[in-house]
Amino acid sequence: SQQGEEDPQALSIQEGENATMNCSYKTSINNLQWYRQNSGRGLVHLILIRSNEREKHSGRLRVTLDTSKKSSSLLITASRAADTASYFCATDSATDSWGKLQFGAGTQVVVTP
Amino acid sequence: DAGVIQSPRHEVTEMGQEVTLRCKPISGHDYLFWYRQTMMRGLELLIYFNNNVPIDDSGMPEDRFSAKMPNASFSTLKIQPSEPRDSAVYFCASSPGTGSPEQYFGPGTRLTVT
Repeated sequence: SQQGEEDPQALSIQEGENATMNCSYKTSINNLQWYRQNSGRGLVHLILIRSNEREKHSGRLRVTLDTSKKSSSLLITASRAADTASYFCATDSATDSWGKLQFGAGTQVVVTP
Repeated sequence: DAGVIQSPRHEVTEMGQEVTLRCKPISGHDYLFWYRQTMMRGLELLIYFNNNVPIDDSGMPEDRFSAKMPNASFSTLKIQPSEPRDSAVYFCASSPGTGSPEQYFGPGTRLTVT
């Protein structure tokens, strides 16, 4: 079964609005990563947060991690049409082989001009 | 660097034929991963290598699938014989190593088995 589960499955917003998506997971982790996939393309790494970190920023991205609730959130501020993509969380389990990421089903984000 | 390179980008073949997918990881990366993506099952890890050695192949669906990494700059994923249910997008990704666990994905190979 998938380790990370994203919520919502789909999100439609207008340019300039913020987009928030959540990820829940089941086992202890070393780190949690967020990736973006544009239609027909490979995944692109966005940001990584380690298990001992609670919040991280990168440009318009903000990621939080709550290990007690086994959940993470990704916030995209001031969204743009170019942010239209699917977003995946991926967990590196502390109980599995290093580097073996388990991906969630993804959140499809559509940003309309 | 050119990033992770995969070939071919598209492959259409008939059931029963052998299919070979190729991957060139980013130079200097110690880890190489093969994934399969479908609408039904999402993104699945098939196998991964560390310094050319297979570490975990528990995701390989069955004996029809095999993967090799003869050197640090080349890997293949082979399906023999292919079946319609193998139709998917296959991604190769590479990672620098323990201190930098982020993965860099190739553009994928879209496989259609008729």
